Amino acid sequence: EIVLTQSPGTLSLSPGERATLSCRASQSVSSSYLAWYQQKPGQAPRLLIYGASSRATGIPDRFSGSGSGTDFTLTISRLEPEDFAVYCCQQYGSSPYTFGQGTKLEIK
Amino acid sequence: QVQLVQSGSELKKPGASVKVSCKASGYSFTTYAMNWVRQAPGQGLEWMGWINTNTGNPTYAQGFTGRFVFSLDTSVSTAYLQISSLKAEDTAVYYCARVPYSGGWYFDYWGQGTLVTVSS
Repeated sequence: EIVLTQSPGTLSLSPGERATLSCRASQSVSSSYLAWYQQKPGQAPRLLIYGASSRATGIPDRFSGSGSGTDFTLTISRLEPEDFAVYCCQQYGSSPYTFGQGTKLEIK
Repeated sequence: QVQLVQSGSELKKPGASVKVSCKASGYSFTTYAMNWVRQAPGQGLEWMGWINTNTGNPTYAQGFTGRFVFSLDTSVSTAYLQISSLKAEDTAVYYCARVPYSGGWYFDYWGQGTLVTVSS
């Protein structure tokens, strides 16, 4: 089973700043099968990025994903108030499909 | 528009059973696999497995065999999760989420979640 470790656990930033979130896999994720989700309290996760770098339908271009192998990054170029949430990564290169524990992005 | 609408919250006693439904609309039900994902209070997401919406064949992740059953009623585009012999540690929000057969196993639409609380 591939274990995903996200860092930092909590990130405190101000609107307008740039956010960089990390997701590290315990073994290589095949074909960059890595997705990112945003989850707000009391809501279901929302797909942001799939295939490590492809934005899902309707996702603003301030969200971008990069990386390959074992190291992946989600970048939010300029934070909007609605971006403060929990972000988690998920690998789907091999079953079982696993999620990271999440990074909480909070307003500084 | 695509929607996955789940049944409401449940409060159950230990040892009881629960059945959660997930009704799909806005797309062809059998063109996407249906998955189930668990989120315990304050915890991360855990993939439970999936059901083939064409054949009805379920696949369970490790740790979700025996007491967990996935099923379908394709006539009403609905997937079900049944959990038997409930334990306190089954307390969680359960999500259904679809995955396209043609493409990677990422979850593009999710139900709103169903909170199952197990308490005496």
